[in-house]
Amino acid sequence: EVQLVESGGGLVKPGGSLRISCSSSEITLTNAWMSWVRQAPGKGLEWIGRIKSKTDGGTTDHAAPVKGRFTVSRDDSKNTLYLQMNSLKTEDTAVYYCSRDGNSGIYEAWFDPWGPGTLVTVSS
Amino acid sequence: DIVMTQSPDSLAVSLGERATINCKSSQSVLYSSNNKNCLAWYQQKPRQPPKLLIYWASTRKSGVPDRFSGSGSGTDFTLTISSLQAEDVAVYYCQQYHSTPPTFGQGTRLEIK
Repeated sequence: EVQLVESGGGLVKPGGSLRISCSSSEITLTNAWMSWVRQAPGKGLEWIGRIKSKTDGGTTDHAAPVKGRFTVSRDDSKNTLYLQMNSLKTEDTAVYYCSRDGNSGIYEAWFDPWGPGTLVTVSS
Repeated sequence: DIVMTQSPDSLAVSLGERATINCKSSQSVLYSSNNKNCLAWYQQKPRQPPKLLIYWASTRKSGVPDRFSGSGSGTDFTLTISSLQAEDVAVYYCQQYHSTPPTFGQGTRLEIK
């Protein structure tokens, strides 16, 4: 099974910033469309953003609740995906998962595989 | 955004019996260009990330047991577990990928009766 691993979660105060990372030893992230999905404690799943493969332009999409505050990026030299989170709110508290978009042949897709997730807690 | 609504919220089924989970989308997720339904199902066990079970509404991911099957078209979809096993206890989510943003159902908790 292809592995993804997130890191960098932790406790941050409201209004603060945090950058979390996702890496893989099997997937060359520059060749994949990669997404971030979050799950608030005891709640469901929410897609928050993606970055396209380099060959597809490497552009990003972000969900409305985080647009302007969160940024998905990638460092190809480190084969690492990032989620920069600014102006954090208590409602951003969640486990954040990175996942690869499926090869659907259309713009959107399923998500597979998923990393184990990293917990971000926003609290004073 | 397309709203995905699952029913029931929770379900208890006896071992060896059939479990059925429904998912309804607020608009059709049938993609006209390829005539496929943009609907996926995931299984999430406690303290684990979601795992993909089915995509294109009925295509089982390689390695997923054949007791899991997906059906439906347009706005109404079903995940069926033909003979419930103890290891199937989990929360199940549907997800549409017809439109941006991709959206998930609220989840259905499946337990053993």
